[in-house]
Amino acid sequence: AQSVTQLDSQVPVFEEAPVELRCNYSSSVSVYLFWYVQYPNQGLQLLLKYLSGSTLVESINGFEAEFNKSQTSFHLRKPSVHISDTAEYFCAVSEAFQGAQKLVFGQGTRLTINP
Amino acid sequence: EAQVTQNPRYLITVTGKKLTVTCSQNMNHEYMSWYRQDPGLGLRQIYYSMNVEVTDKGDVPEGYKVSRKEKRNFPLILESPSPNQTSLYFCASRSTSAGANVLTFGAGSRLTVL
Repeated sequence: AQSVTQLDSQVPVFEEAPVELRCNYSSSVSVYLFWYVQYPNQGLQLLLKYLSGSTLVESINGFEAEFNKSQTSFHLRKPSVHISDTAEYFCAVSEAFQGAQKLVFGQGTRLTINP
Repeated sequence: EAQVTQNPRYLITVTGKKLTVTCSQNMNHEYMSWYRQDPGLGLRQIYYSMNVEVTDKGDVPEGYKVSRKEKRNFPLILESPSPNQTSLYFCASRSTSAGANVLTFGAGSRLTVL
């Protein structure tokens, strides 16, 4: 079985500052990794995913995450945040095969951007 | 527009009064799932369905029922709601085709049981 730990429940940062949201996972098999974002009063949207290949994956709005197998981590980073990045961010893991039936989510990290 | 539609978006009910939260997707996805979101606990899977007439329990199925009679619909049924089922519920779907690993979520249904 897989599990995910997001190490920070809340992260306050100033606008234009860098941010890192931490995610560690546990699994006895190969995994797929995801970051989802939830804007206020909305459902979850995929931000980025790692399935295979390059361990550094990027989103269209400037976020990136790096899969580190030795440290079982998939931390999310952005070099300069904007007010519009205020949201809750969820890290998720599934087994690395097409028929995987379960996506396991972390507890979420609430990112607050202060002007 | 490709989407997952949940109804109702908000509901206040009383203990023991049966209710159904509907979920419909227009993407011809085989896989559908229900999650509940609670502060500090993230999202936990209630039930999922791999296809029509195929459903299985997730991590927190107690107190819930589901059915999958049509590919597009996956209703969540609370036969006798209790206050501990007060939560934000999300329905999600995805294809089971090769390379399709991403869930599409509905906007959520906030349920309060008094």
